[in-house]
Amino acid sequence: NAGVTQTPKFQVLKTGQSMTLQCAQDMNHEYMSWYRQDPGMGLRLIHYSVGAGITDQGEVPNGYNVSRSTTEDFPLRLLSAAPSQTSVYFCASSYRFDSSLNQPQHFGDGTRLSIL
Amino acid sequence: KQEVTQIPAALSVPEGENLVLNCSFTDSAIYNLQWFRQDPGKGLTSLLLIQSSQREQTSGRLNASLDKSSGRSTLYIAASQPGDSATYLCAVPNAGGTSYGKLTFGQGTILTVHP
Repeated sequence: NAGVTQTPKFQVLKTGQSMTLQCAQDMNHEYMSWYRQDPGMGLRLIHYSVGAGITDQGEVPNGYNVSRSTTEDFPLRLLSAAPSQTSVYFCASSYRFDSSLNQPQHFGDGTRLSIL
Repeated sequence: KQEVTQIPAALSVPEGENLVLNCSFTDSAIYNLQWFRQDPGKGLTSLLLIQSSQREQTSGRLNASLDKSSGRSTLYIAASQPGDSATYLCAVPNAGGTSYGKLTFGQGTILTVHP
């Protein structure tokens, strides 16, 4: 039972490079989201998806793109990496997007990204 | 805009102590509140989800309470152990509108239990 799987676990990029952070879940969850965690800022929502083909912006979406072509996968793309994007990135999923259903969110182990 | 605050920011206790972690939120229109544990270099592990209609939720040595009207939740850890050392985060999903599912997190309480 893999849960939420994120790859890679660590990555170092140079300013201006692009890359994709991968996130996959095997729980048939509708809702998936990306957060970044920074010291003193806590966890902040980047983008989220309520189902395949549907995505929307969170609190800090600038510099990131997402797509959701399948239920299982929700990749996060950095178009042109900047030092301000140095952070730990977490992917999360839950059964339904509707919070009134009281479904807990499950998190991956994170990707630690450094931009030089 | 929902704001979540956790007090204290850090806590160091000897093994065996009972302890309380506090979480407060500004908008009481929530469906539930979730407590997470985060170990260094790891992701978040869900500990308890307490629904807005509930007053308490228990799992082993953990007990979470929720008072929506006052915007507060507490996580009670009984008979603390060194293995409980971690960062504890509370989070609430925004209720209504297009905010379903989005979690607002507190900054966390760093707990150290020393032998």
